Amino acid sequence: EAGVVQSPRYKIIEKKQPVAFWCNPISGHNTLYWYRQNLGQGPELLIRYENEEAVDDSQLPKDRFSAERLKGVDSTLKIQPAELGDSAVYLCASSLSGDNSPLHFGNGTRLTVT
Amino acid sequence: DQQVKQNSPSLSVQEGRISILNCDYTNSMFDYFLWYKKYPAEGPTFLISISSIKDKNEDGRFTVFLNKSAKHLSLHIVPSQPGDSAVYFCAAKGYGGSQGNLIFGKGTKLSVKP
Repeated sequence: EAGVVQSPRYKIIEKKQPVAFWCNPISGHNTLYWYRQNLGQGPELLIRYENEEAVDDSQLPKDRFSAERLKGVDSTLKIQPAELGDSAVYLCASSLSGDNSPLHFGNGTRLTVT
Repeated sequence: DQQVKQNSPSLSVQEGRISILNCDYTNSMFDYFLWYKKYPAEGPTFLISISSIKDKNEDGRFTVFLNKSAKHLSLHIVPSQPGDSAVYFCAAKGYGGSQGNLIFGKGTKLSVKP
């Protein structure tokens, strides 16, 4: 089975610029997650979708971050405007519905804000 | 406050010997625990999991032990191989709603020397 696909792999932008990340989950996986991983830390959840619905976005900084999952498949995560502290790896993951289905992660997008 | 703690940032083990990676948690609502392995420039990959109703789960060379009274779990790799060299993340979750989100530790970097 094809894995979770993310693009781009790397992105370098200047602060105050916008940036967007794209994710294509594993086919049939209804649950999609965006995580952020800072250097030396574990992944931290930003938002979780069940189909098209964002069921948990409590950790998403809504003043500058937005996400969407149209048609319940692909998803995009946007930052506008980016700040220096947003430099991190942004990971997308998907899973089958059900509480204990393991998450399958993409390879992430490494964002550098200068 | 960290809910999932991996207090050893790194571990070095000789090939063929046992690797023991430790993890502590503070949230008594956690009832499902997972270990993920991460190679550089790749996303985390699911390794093994355990439900709180069990105290041991085994999959080939990998065994996870859970001590609920101590809020402690460990991952044993026997025998260790050079290909096991990676960062290992412990993760935990509760049931339903925001408790259903995976909380990750900071990771332990395992180096297996030939």
